[in-house]
Amino acid sequence: AQKITQTQPGMFVQEKEAVTLDCTYDTSDQSYGLFWYKQPSSGEMIFLIYQGSYDEQNATEGRYSLNFQKARKSANLVISASQLGDSAMYFCAMTSLENSGYSTLTFGKGTMLLVSP
Amino acid sequence: DTEVTQTPKHLVMGMTNKKSLKCEQHMGHRAMYWYKQKAKKPPELMFVYSYEKLSINESVPSRFSPECPNSSLLNLHLHALQPEDSALYLCASSQTSGMGDTQYFGPGTRLTVL
Repeated sequence: AQKITQTQPGMFVQEKEAVTLDCTYDTSDQSYGLFWYKQPSSGEMIFLIYQGSYDEQNATEGRYSLNFQKARKSANLVISASQLGDSAMYFCAMTSLENSGYSTLTFGKGTMLLVSP
Repeated sequence: DTEVTQTPKHLVMGMTNKKSLKCEQHMGHRAMYWYKQKAKKPPELMFVYSYEKLSINESVPSRFSPECPNSSLLNLHLHALQPEDSALYLCASSQTSGMGDTQYFGPGTRLTVL
């Protein structure tokens, strides 16, 4: 079974600083996808970044980058130059084809990020 | 455009009521999903539709009844709910239900069952 672990229930960062949110995963699959989502207090889950298990380069999307270390089974999210609007819950998730061949998302418990002025 | 819309935004219902949640996407996605999310918890998968067919039902009680009338629309019919069903209900869609397909979420419906 797939498992995602986010060990930081909460993180604090000052505006304009960089922050790393940790994510480790466990799977016996060779092929999988790793995702990060942001959920503000409004509730919407916003897709941030994707990394495929066979991608050799770390994914980047604007201020977001994914530090993918396959041997360590980690997929940390790095947010550069934090902004006040980055304050939200962040979920790490992975896809698996365990469920009858249909890809489903397994989520971690999330990390609450608070950005202070 | 990666927009998934959900209506209503908020819903309060009694345990004897029948109501429906609606989800719509116009991205040409062929997989659609319902999730339930309790406060301070990650979303939990309820149902997956792939090419308008119900592909996964995660042992959801029958008081929740999904429906996919066409490739753009997904409904969740609610009947005889319990107070513990109060939660944020999120709809998502993806190109297909493949491994690398990103799921895009709607804003959710906050449901309160009295």
